Amino acid sequence: NFMLTQPHSVSESPGKTVIISCTRSSGSIASNHVQWYQQRPGSAPTTVIYEDNQRPSGVPDRFSGSSDSSSNSASLTISGLKTEDEADYYCQSVDSSIWVFGGGTKLTVL
Amino acid sequence: QVTLRESGPALVKPTQTLTLTCTFSGFSLSASGMCVSWIRQPPGKALEWLALIDWDDDKYYSTSLKTRLTFSKDTSKNQVVLTMTNMDPVDTATYYCARRGIHGDFDYWGQGILVTVSS
Repeated sequence: NFMLTQPHSVSESPGKTVIISCTRSSGSIASNHVQWYQQRPGSAPTTVIYEDNQRPSGVPDRFSGSSDSSSNSASLTISGLKTEDEADYYCQSVDSSIWVFGGGTKLTVL
Repeated sequence: QVTLRESGPALVKPTQTLTLTCTFSGFSLSASGMCVSWIRQPPGKALEWLALIDWDDDKYYSTSLKTRLTFSKDTSKNQVVLTMTNMDPVDTATYYCARRGIHGDFDYWGQGILVTVSS
């Protein structure tokens, strides 16, 4: 099985841009789509990006996703940070019918 | 609209078997492409995928937990059931059921149920 590695935490000021990385340990990041979830305290996760770079309806266009084969990683970019973006973010992918979540990144907006 | 709700015991003793039920509405698990998964989250820790069952009754399990897990569905009741044997305090977590949507993400989640393993 592969692993997805995320930074434990990131922090940035309101209005700025933050990028959260998700590095796949083995196999190509491009071989399966990556999803990103936002989880606020006490709540279930919600999808902010699916299929690497697609936004569900209702998710602001401040959220974007990308994938980079050279670093074998996916990234979630949040621009124009708002205090309401403060949450935990998880990447997720699948391979050979094994679904894997990253370790999560705590985003602090201060 | 799509909803999922987990039910089961809040407290189990070590070595006991945990049985969790997910009751869903707003979709049919017999429809092609539909899947339901169990995902857990220990307090303060990351999400961990446990198992998935699909519309064709195929089941997939976490490599590390597959010997302890059994997943079944009752399409007529719109329920899926997960059993986990030989519970240990490290299995203390919030257990979520979630639908895997057409885009491959887990697009709908239950509210989760906190299961504590303690004697």
